[in-house]
Amino acid sequence: KAGVTQTPRYLIKTRGQQVTLSCSPISGHRSVSWYQQTPGQGLQFLFEYFSETQRNKGNFPGRFSGRQFSNSRSEMNVSTLELGDSALYLCASSLIPRDSYNEQFFGPGTRLTVL
Amino acid sequence: DAKTTQPTSMDCAEGRAANLPCNHSTISGNEYVYWYRQIHSQGPQYIIHGLKNNETNEMASLIITEDRKSSTLILPHATLRDTAVYYCIVRVGKSGGSNYKLTFGKGTLLTVNP
Repeated sequence: KAGVTQTPRYLIKTRGQQVTLSCSPISGHRSVSWYQQTPGQGLQFLFEYFSETQRNKGNFPGRFSGRQFSNSRSEMNVSTLELGDSALYLCASSLIPRDSYNEQFFGPGTRLTVL
Repeated sequence: DAKTTQPTSMDCAEGRAANLPCNHSTISGNEYVYWYRQIHSQGPQYIIHGLKNNETNEMASLIITEDRKSSTLILPHATLRDTAVYYCIVRVGKSGGSNYKLTFGKGTLLTVNP
């Protein structure tokens, strides 16, 4: 079974631009979560989607948004990019979010650099 | 979710057991202990989780103290490929429809030396 895939793997943008990152969960997984990882702040939760609905959201500004499609694929968008948005963006999928025994499987991440 | 405390770094000789400690003194009765690891430039990888009994799988063993205030992840025969940052996380088991997120701390950088 294929793992979580994320595209693109690397991205370079300039300040003020916007970016869209894509995540395809493991087949059959319906929950997708997004995380931001930086050297200074570590791994921080952005949001979680299940059945095309955002179920939980971290403490990030409104410039960060996401959505989930009917096939469970998810996208996240960052508008008006800032230098501090440079990070590794990780997507994780899980089978059923309400099940306590389901671990999250992470993708390889998208490395975003904002110049 | 309860906060965890882990050493910043540890070293281990190849072939020996690696014992990674984690303190979670404020853990509550319905919180599980999860361990993930992240190898450089890859996404975090699930290792193991437990509530109060010791657990073992093909990757590692998890020992949880009786009072559940601390735990130890054991890699029985560490290899060079086990060099990674190891995260100990405590999280409510039943999400109840919300708050399924994982809260990662700084983790422990385990370096396995030849």
